[in-house]
Amino acid sequence: EDQVTQSPEALRLQEGESSSLNCSYTVSGLRGLFWYRQDPGKGPEFLFTLYSAGEEKEKERLKATLTKKESFLHITAPKPEDSATYLCAVTGANSKLTFGKGITLSVRP
Amino acid sequence: DVKVTQSSRYLVKRTGEKVFLECVQDMDHENMFWYRQDPGLGLRLIYFSYDVKMKEKGDIPEGYSVSREKKERFSLILESASTNQTSMYLCASSYSKVQPQHFGDGTRLSIL
Repeated sequence: EDQVTQSPEALRLQEGESSSLNCSYTVSGLRGLFWYRQDPGKGPEFLFTLYSAGEEKEKERLKATLTKKESFLHITAPKPEDSATYLCAVTGANSKLTFGKGITLSVRP
Repeated sequence: DVKVTQSSRYLVKRTGEKVFLECVQDMDHENMFWYRQDPGLGLRLIYFSYDVKMKEKGDIPEGYSVSREKKERFSLILESASTNQTSMYLCASSYSKVQPQHFGDGTRLSIL
């Protein structure tokens, strides 16, 4: 059974304090790893897809990386508007999307 | 941009009622999904559909059914609502099985 573990559960940063969110996974035949951002009371918003180890994607202050066992979402010089829950999910050989429980990020001004 | 629209943001129903949650996507996606999201449990897949008229059970289908008469529309039905079905319900669609799923803003359903 595919599994996704995200850590830490919650992270509090000062504005401008860079950090990384971790997503560890076990999956049979990785077909894609996805990062989402979710604001309170809203649906998840798609950020990145990574398909193979070594791949990296960037968008503004966010950079996602992938190894064979984990993915990191690096946040550089975060701003208060980056506060949200970040979800990681994987699709394996069974084509089913398995989500982690998310990391709640708070960025203080 | 992909647009997934759920018919209601908030809904309050009574125990035993039949409840319909509607979802429409405008990107001609083949695949559509229904999840529920609960604190501490994350997102759990209820039902999904890879084609019109086709539906498959997800991880927690008990007490639910679905309908997909048209490609763009996927409905979730609570046959006889119970209090343990109080939750946030999220609809999603994707172009293919390896493409990202795009979500609606959810329906927060309360069963009293």
